[in-house]
Amino acid sequence: AQKVTQAQTEISVVEKEDVTLDCVYETRDTTYYLFWYKQPPSGELVFLIRRNSFDEQNEISGRYSWNFQKSTSSFNFTITASQVVDSAVYFCALSEEKAGGGNKLTFGTGTQLKVEL
Amino acid sequence: DTAVSQTPKYLVTQMGNDKSIKCEQNLGHDTMYWYKQDSKKFLKIMFSYNNKELIINETVPNRFSPKSPDKAHLNLHINSLELGDSAVYFCASSQGLASREQYFGPGTRLTVT
Repeated sequence: AQKVTQAQTEISVVEKEDVTLDCVYETRDTTYYLFWYKQPPSGELVFLIRRNSFDEQNEISGRYSWNFQKSTSSFNFTITASQVVDSAVYFCALSEEKAGGGNKLTFGTGTQLKVEL
Repeated sequence: DTAVSQTPKYLVTQMGNDKSIKCEQNLGHDTMYWYKQDSKKFLKIMFSYNNKELIINETVPNRFSPKSPDKAHLNLHINSLELGDSAVYFCASSQGLASREQYFGPGTRLTVT
């Protein structure tokens, strides 16, 4: 069975600090996809990134960067120079493709990030 | 021009009632999903439809019945509501059957009293 672990339940930082959110996954599939979603206090789920298992290149998008390491089954997310608007719950997710089609996202339990002034 | 919309946003009802939540997407996607987020914010898939055909049905009580009249709509009907059904229900959509990113609606907060 697939599993996603986000061991950090809550992280508090002061604005402008860098922060890394950890994500560790388990799967027996050789082809899989990893995702990060943001859930701000308003409640919607916002897609941030998708990464497939064959692409271990790190990715940077503005203040966001992602470090994918198959050797440790981790897909960590770093926010550089955090801002108050980054305060949200961040979810890591893993996708398995079921026989007959279908794309089922298995979510981690989320990390609540609080950025204070 | 909301991509994935859900109605209603809030739903408060009593135990034993039947209720429906509607979802519509205008992204041209052909796969839609329902997820449940409990009070601890844990998200779990319930159903998925592709071109109006049910393709994922997790272990969900029979009281929950999804219906997809066309590929842009996926509604969720819940019979005989129970206290434990209180949660936020999210609709999502994606393109095709492969593992593409899913785009979520704003959620429907269901409270059963």
